[in-house]
Amino acid sequence: DIQMTQSPSSLSASVGDRVTITCRASQGIRNDLGWYQQKPGKAPKRLIYAASSLQSGVPSRFSGSGSGTEFTLTISSLQPEDFATYYCLQHNSYPYSFGQGTKLEIK
Amino acid sequence: QVTLKESGPALVKPTQTLTLTCTFSGFSLSTSGMRVSWIRQPPGKALEWLARIDWDDDKFYSTSLKTRLTISKDTSKNQVVLTMTNMDPVDTATYYCARIGGADDYWGQGTLVTVSS
Repeated sequence: DIQMTQSPSSLSASVGDRVTITCRASQGIRNDLGWYQQKPGKAPKRLIYAASSLQSGVPSRFSGSGSGTEFTLTISSLQPEDFATYYCLQHNSYPYSFGQGTKLEIK
Repeated sequence: QVTLKESGPALVKPTQTLTLTCTFSGFSLSTSGMRVSWIRQPPGKALEWLARIDWDDDKFYSTSLKTRLTISKDTSKNQVVLTMTNMDPVDTATYYCARIGGADDYWGQGTLVTVSS
């Protein structure tokens, strides 16, 4: 099984900050990775697909990069609505696997 | 418009079998390339992918749970059913069905299942 190691597990930041979240795969997954945002009581919402493609309707301050085993999600300038939990998901091979999540909190 | 909705019991007892139904619209599971997954999330914890069924009836399961899971589809009813045997309190979670892992991404609202005697 492919393990997804996500870091950090939590992050305190201020509005306007630039933040980066990382996911590392235990083996190569090409670019078969998505990034999700989840707010309390809601289903996850995909922000990035194919590692670096912005989902339609998602603000351009979100970006993704990486291929193979290392991936990053960057938020260029945090907005109040961005404080949430973020997950990566690999769908290269079965079983699919999520990272353990990054809780982004207001400093 | 693609929608998915989970249904099933809110409370099950330990050792019982859980049966969840995902009823969807806006696509057909008889169409090539279509697939539906189940994902769960214990309260305050991370997402966990459970299983997937494809248009051609291929099925895939979580390694750690595969002995307890069965996924099936009823194409005529636009439904996917997940059964999980021998439920335990640690299986308390919100269970989601979703169409994920491809060009598009759709999730149900989730259903909370509590395992308690």
